Amino acid sequence: QVQLVESGGGVVQPGRSLRVSCAASGFTFGRYGIHWVRQAPGKGLEWVALIWYDGSNTHYADSVKGRFTISRDNSKSTVYLQMNSLRPEDTAVYFCARGTTGGAFDYWGQGTPVTVSS
Amino acid sequence: DIQMTQSPSSLSASIGDRVTITCRASQYSGTHLNWYQQKPGKGPKLLIYAASSLQSGVPSRFSGSGSGTDFMLTISSLQREDFATYYCQQSYSSPYTFGQGTNLEIK
Repeated sequence: QVQLVESGGGVVQPGRSLRVSCAASGFTFGRYGIHWVRQAPGKGLEWVALIWYDGSNTHYADSVKGRFTISRDNSKSTVYLQMNSLRPEDTAVYFCARGTTGGAFDYWGQGTPVTVSS
Repeated sequence: DIQMTQSPSSLSASIGDRVTITCRASQYSGTHLNWYQQKPGKGPKLLIYAASSLQSGVPSRFSGSGSGTDFMLTISSLQREDFATYYCQQSYSSPYTFGQGTNLEIK
């Protein structure tokens, strides 16, 4: 069965960096784009970033552009989100999700929490 | 960027009720509109994709309609497990924005 498992979240000081990971299984990883979506405490969903199936193209929300980098290693079926210059407003649960050709997100992980605080 | 506006933001209903949630896009989105259900502490679950297609395994009491800028999610007969938060999302263009959510509560 399709599984996405996020890891790497934690507490980090403002201005520091953190990398979260999304390990996939149960499908042909190299055929799908992968998204990151975040949810601040008590708030709604915010799309963060997308990486195409082969890593050839990436897209970012304006709120993270220039600070976050999405990448993937198809040999490890894993997507990464490198988060630099973190701000308190980046505090959220970070979910990864599989993208379909039509643009829907058909499978999601359980999320990994990131807290940016001094 | 395409802004997505859901209404209502919260809704109280009873078991067996028919409920409708609406979603309006600030720009044309074709049928690139998806609906998700989220329960506390869990990742969202895809219910409807491409405005009206039912995701595999989702009960047929869920249905979606609309195109262009106006969309609806309908639950024909509420069951206890349907009480959750619902989000629309456009996949027409990046950034792939979500509505603010509709919290569906038991009356």
